[in-house]
Amino acid sequence: GAVVSQHPSWVICKSGTSVKIECRSLDFQATTMFWYRQFPKQSLMLMATSNEGSKATYEQGVEKDKFLINHASLTLSTLTVTSAHPEDSSFYICSAPKLGQGSYEQYFGPGTRLTVT
Amino acid sequence: SQQGEEDPQALSIQEGENATMNCSYKTSINNLQWYRQNSGRGLVHLILIRSNEREKHSGRLRVTLDTSKKSSSLLITASRAADTASYFCATRNTNAGKSTFGDGTTLTVKP
Repeated sequence: GAVVSQHPSWVICKSGTSVKIECRSLDFQATTMFWYRQFPKQSLMLMATSNEGSKATYEQGVEKDKFLINHASLTLSTLTVTSAHPEDSSFYICSAPKLGQGSYEQYFGPGTRLTVT
Repeated sequence: SQQGEEDPQALSIQEGENATMNCSYKTSINNLQWYRQNSGRGLVHLILIRSNEREKHSGRLRVTLDTSKKSSSLLITASRAADTASYFCATRNTNAGKSTFGDGTTLTVKP
């Protein structure tokens, strides 16, 4: 099956610093990738749609300047949390759609747990 | 707001019993996927059902879709302790578009 990887799997950083999270589609190309955030015991909330070669599309309420997204190639999207604060601590998950048997299946990365101290 | 709402929020059963989880959504969809998530881990795709399908099976899993009622159900038969996890439905209104997740059902299967 398709594999989507994320790096790092977990990161601890100090308030005010920036953290970059990578999302890679390992065996297929993805012109679009999606970034989600999940707080403990809650569901996944879509943050933004990453588009290869163009600007990301952010969901309402998500700060573009705080969560920088770059889709540099057909297999890599990055999410940079700038000037991180403790409230940014969360589980960040990316996904990429791959065409299966007539439909696109969303394949999710294993997630990145961010803790801001 | 979330597209999908799932019930029950939490379900606790004995090993060997069947578990049924329901998902409702508000807008028209292209397809619906069910996922499993173990605590603190990523999501595992279980089944995708298209809007023109009514039922799909995969091993011990059975998914139904009723587009007239905008609802789907996931049935896990002969549950095992290893099935303990959170289960989410996610809808897409276009084939390759973004997924909108339900609130999830936390399933506990007691050995």
